[in-house]
Amino acid sequence: RKEVEQDPGPFNVPEGATVAFNCTYSNSASQSFFWYRQDCRKEPKLLMSVYSSGNEDGRFTAQLNRASQYISLLIRDSKLSDSATYLCVVFDTNAGGTSYGKLTFGQGTILTVHP
Amino acid sequence: GAVVSQHPSWVICKSGTSVKIECRSLDFQATTMFWYRQFPKQSLMLMATSNEGSKATYEQGVEKDKFLINHASLTLSTLTVTSAHPEDSSFYICSAPKPQFFGPGTRLTVL
Repeated sequence: RKEVEQDPGPFNVPEGATVAFNCTYSNSASQSFFWYRQDCRKEPKLLMSVYSSGNEDGRFTAQLNRASQYISLLIRDSKLSDSATYLCVVFDTNAGGTSYGKLTFGQGTILTVHP
Repeated sequence: GAVVSQHPSWVICKSGTSVKIECRSLDFQATTMFWYRQFPKQSLMLMATSNEGSKATYEQGVEKDKFLINHASLTLSTLTVTSAHPEDSSFYICSAPKPQFFGPGTRLTVL
């Protein structure tokens, strides 16, 4: 089983649509969770952190269910500029080669928003 | 905010040559930097953790003699791909130990 698993899509939606991405992770001891956005041939950029209480940033809502080891991202009122790959990322303090821990990336979900 | 830069942004080289990629922290000191690799249509995979003043820590399956990492100072980490081959063609990205600080990446193409 992959450490972080996402539906690769692609998701093709019209402008204004609501779209939801799901992600599951395998390590129940993981501490922190993030959604990143990656545009074609660019580095990933942090979109938002994910908290158990759920958090919202404008049109974006992220949710974490620790019991199910499940993370979600909801995008409302999709814009053309939302077209990108969305990466689910998990942080483990006790992994990696240093005390900084390790980020593990899902394979990404491709979103295309069309007019 | 903190910025991480990489140089070069892209490089094309012949098979068998060595390529050095630089990763700099521009406004903070980094005792640790992470190096990732991303193949087309795949996600980022951590290759190694670069430690200032000590040896890098490599992830399982990554050849330390092929991917040489040097953390020369608190603002510079370098990754050298030695004797590069076409299968090493990839997008190499460094990051600081903060979830939001990634370098812009270096696209390596080995002919």
